Amino acid sequence: SQQGEEDPQALSIQEGENATMNCSYKTSINNLQWYRQNSGRGLVHLILIRSNEREKHSGRLRVTLDTSKKSSSLLITASRAADTASYFCAPANAGGTSYGKLTFGQGTILTVHP
Amino acid sequence: DGGITQSPKYLFRKEGQNVTLSCEQNLNHDAMYWYRQDPGQGLRLIYYSQIVNDFQKGDIAEGYSVSREKKESFPLTVTSAQKNPTAFYLCASSQVVVYNSPLHFGNGTRLTVT
Repeated sequence: SQQGEEDPQALSIQEGENATMNCSYKTSINNLQWYRQNSGRGLVHLILIRSNEREKHSGRLRVTLDTSKKSSSLLITASRAADTASYFCAPANAGGTSYGKLTFGQGTILTVHP
Repeated sequence: DGGITQSPKYLFRKEGQNVTLSCEQNLNHDAMYWYRQDPGQGLRLIYYSQIVNDFQKGDIAEGYSVSREKKESFPLTVTSAQKNPTAFYLCASSQVVVYNSPLHFGNGTRLTVT
């Protein structure tokens, strides 16, 4: 399994602003998943984008995927204080086993100030 | 509600003692995983299991042991051989039949060894 690299490491914004986080990976993927982790809690799955998709939306979340550049971005629009959390991307390798043996990088720490 | 339960939330042990962390799921998932998270770092995979009575080492299995006698349960034992056991431990599960399906996480056990 490969690890995604999130960028930036930390992001601080005001409530109402948009937040953009990026993820890069190294080898071909089947899909790429984004997760959120609130302080002291487990990870929560946010969105999955398949390798044949370029953009996906879920509520205030927008994810893009560029397989030629091996990169993805997560956009959170109209951010709220409750969006304060760490965000992780997890590239799922093409081929191999069918179950999700995912690897997680250090994540992006997002702080949204009220 | 379906989910993953990890217990206890906080665990304190003396050096040299083995300790077992509990993980139970009622999602009817076949695959289960144990991750370790250190402050400011990503998640590292310790062990995973695709099916009952079978499990595989992850990236950092040394000093840990697991069992998978029931589909619902995947306990992790941190042995005295683990050099730096103090960490946040996360259990997760996923479906096997759905390729690279998302992981569902518990809320973790914070282990402190002194």
